[in-house]
Amino acid sequence: GAVVSQHPSRVICKSGTSVKIECRSLDFQATTMFWYRQFPKQSLMLMATSNEGSKATYEQGVEKDKFLINHASLTLSTLTVTSAHPEDSSFYICSARSGAFSYNEQFFGPGTRLTVL
Amino acid sequence: GQQLNQSPQSMFIQEGEDVSMNCTSSSIFNTWLWYKQEPGEGPVLLIALYKAGELTSNGRLTAQFGITRKDSFLNISASIPSDVGIYFCAGQITGGGNKLTFGTGTQLKVEL
Repeated sequence: GAVVSQHPSRVICKSGTSVKIECRSLDFQATTMFWYRQFPKQSLMLMATSNEGSKATYEQGVEKDKFLINHASLTLSTLTVTSAHPEDSSFYICSARSGAFSYNEQFFGPGTRLTVL
Repeated sequence: GQQLNQSPQSMFIQEGEDVSMNCTSSSIFNTWLWYKQEPGEGPVLLIALYKAGELTSNGRLTAQFGITRKDSFLNISASIPSDVGIYFCAGQITGGGNKLTFGTGTQLKVEL
């Protein structure tokens, strides 16, 4: 149990276009989902926290108008990178947690590799 | 954002050797977690620690939550080739929105 999927697994887009990444909890209801960004050979950096039905909370330095997050249901959150530029190329990883599990464990998705040309 | 400091940054060891890595912070955490990440994948939880001083094992892995709440270590005994990957520690504060702060990572390479 506790499986999180992401789609697509990798995407290549042209500069200036928008890209949507989906994060789904497959066998549990996720009250909270988190979005991370990981540059090559670096650690995971939290971008934002989203709770179902409410606006996402962004970390300092993350542009909320550029990285649009929607958490419309208990099993789906989406991250849209608007007007993507090459510097947005990164590995985007989501995680999900449910109050039904003990100790607030987060379950991570397999990540989405974004390459902006 | 804040990152936890991990050491060593990378290590190249012989198969069968024991491995030790640690993680330090300037802040206190209520929970310490250790993850392993393989190339192109998300991190996978290895061990979770919830009390200061706690020592927990998961197979060949052993981790401890430092008494000061500002550090943790992970040991891997009798390493095997599939232990290759990047190991991340992460700290969590109760009531802090359940956010995780990740360490800088330790890359482990195992020589046959």
